Amino acid sequence: NAGVTQTPKFRILKIGQSMTLQCTQDMNHNYMYWYRQDPGMGLKLIYYSVGAGITDKGEVPNGYNVSRSTTEDFPLRLELAAPSQTSVYFCASSPTGGAGGYTFGSGTRLTVV
Amino acid sequence: RKEVEQDPGPFNVPEGATVAFNCTYSNSASQSFFWYRQDCRKEPKLLMSVYSSGNEDGRFTAQLNRASQYISLLIRDSKLSDSATYLCAASGGGADGLTFGKGTHLIIQP
Repeated sequence: NAGVTQTPKFRILKIGQSMTLQCTQDMNHNYMYWYRQDPGMGLKLIYYSVGAGITDKGEVPNGYNVSRSTTEDFPLRLELAAPSQTSVYFCASSPTGGAGGYTFGSGTRLTVV
Repeated sequence: RKEVEQDPGPFNVPEGATVAFNCTYSNSASQSFFWYRQDCRKEPKLLMSVYSSGNEDGRFTAQLNRASQYISLLIRDSKLSDSATYLCAASGGGADGLTFGKGTHLIIQP
C-alpha cells in the first residue's frame, strides 16, 4: 500500500505564482489534513476535511484553498504565492479524526522567491 | 485556544542512558494522546499512543497524567538511532484532529 502520497517533493515558486500541492491516500480514510511546518516550529493546521465534499479552515488558512471531490484526493491550492508561504507542507489522513493517530505523507518542500 | 507545549531541547544524552521528556496540554477535554518521531527533513511517524493506564513498547514507555495535564515519554538504554525530534500530540475529539507540540530534539552521543 502506498499510504499517503504527496507530490511534488520540492518546488520553487516566484512571488505571485500559483500551484497545487497534491495529496492522495489509498486507505479509504475519511479525515484528511494539511499542515505546514516552519523551522523550529510545530505543525500548524491549514485546512481539514471530514469527507468528500466537506472542508473546513484550520489555524492558518489565509492564502490557501482546498477541495475534496473524492475520498482519496485532497489538493491544496496556493493562488498568489508569498515568501511567508515558504515552508514544508504535510498532508495526513486518519480513519477516526485523530483518535487513532495520523498517517503522514512525505511532505512537499516549497520555497517562494 | 488548544496548546501543546514541549521543551525544545536539545537533550544531549550518552548512548545507553535513560532519558525522559514531558509535554503539557491546555485542553482538558483532550481524549487521545500520541508521541511521534520525526527525523530530519522527514515526515512525522507514529511512535506510540498514550493510554490512561500507561503503555510500554520495548525501550519506550509513555504515561498520561490527566490531573496535571501532561504526557511523558521515557526511553531506556538509548541508541544512536534514537536521535530525532519527538513530537507530542493531543486530540480534543473534534474533527480538526490533533494539536502538535513543537517537538523535543534528542541527540544520542556515542
